[in-house]
Amino acid sequence: GNSVTQMEGPVTLSEEAFLTINCTYTATGYPSLFWYVQYPGEGLQLLLKATKADDKGSNKGFEATYRKETTSFHLEKGSVQVSDSAVYFCALSESHTNAGKSTFGDGTTLTVKP
Amino acid sequence: DTAVSQTPKYLVTQMGNDKSIKCEQNLGHDTMYWYKQDSKKFLKIMFSYNNKELIINETVPNRFSPKSPDKAHLNLHINSLELGDSAVYFCASSQVPPTSGVGETQYFGPGTRLLVL
Repeated sequence: GNSVTQMEGPVTLSEEAFLTINCTYTATGYPSLFWYVQYPGEGLQLLLKATKADDKGSNKGFEATYRKETTSFHLEKGSVQVSDSAVYFCALSESHTNAGKSTFGDGTTLTVKP
Repeated sequence: DTAVSQTPKYLVTQMGNDKSIKCEQNLGHDTMYWYKQDSKKFLKIMFSYNNKELIINETVPNRFSPKSPDKAHLNLHINSLELGDSAVYFCASSQVPPTSGVGETQYFGPGTRLLVL
């Protein structure tokens, strides 16, 4: 079956530090890959996605590149802000067959200190 | 306009009670989901409906019963609540992309925080 493994947290950084959250996956087909972010007290929301190998998703200064050879989709940001403090989920979704289902990682909690 | 909404936002109740959580989406999506998020933020899928039909039913106790009166609504009824049911429950929806081979983005509601005393 499909699975997503992401870097264990919590991660604590100082403002303007470089962020990497690792994510690797196993899938039977050719999935699309996602990063979702959950701010305190809110639901998950899409941060970025990539639908095929070598695609780069980007949003709000975050980036992730779909690496098929290493089955990875690591999240990066060059300079984090206090407002980036949240839980980050890596996820995959294969093309719809007869059931729409995403597989989520366990989430990584990021705290950014001023 | 809220895309995926849930009510109530907070629910505090006694063990043994029965409660319901409601979810509505105005995105026109065909598929809706219920997830449970525990205190460690782990997210676990419970159910999925596509056009009012149950398509995913993970190993969830029979005390949990979803109902989809139409494709815009998916409610969750919980009987005989237990302490271990305390969690945040998220509703989500998605739509099969028109391009084959592309996975689905999920849109989440704000969550219902259930506390069983």
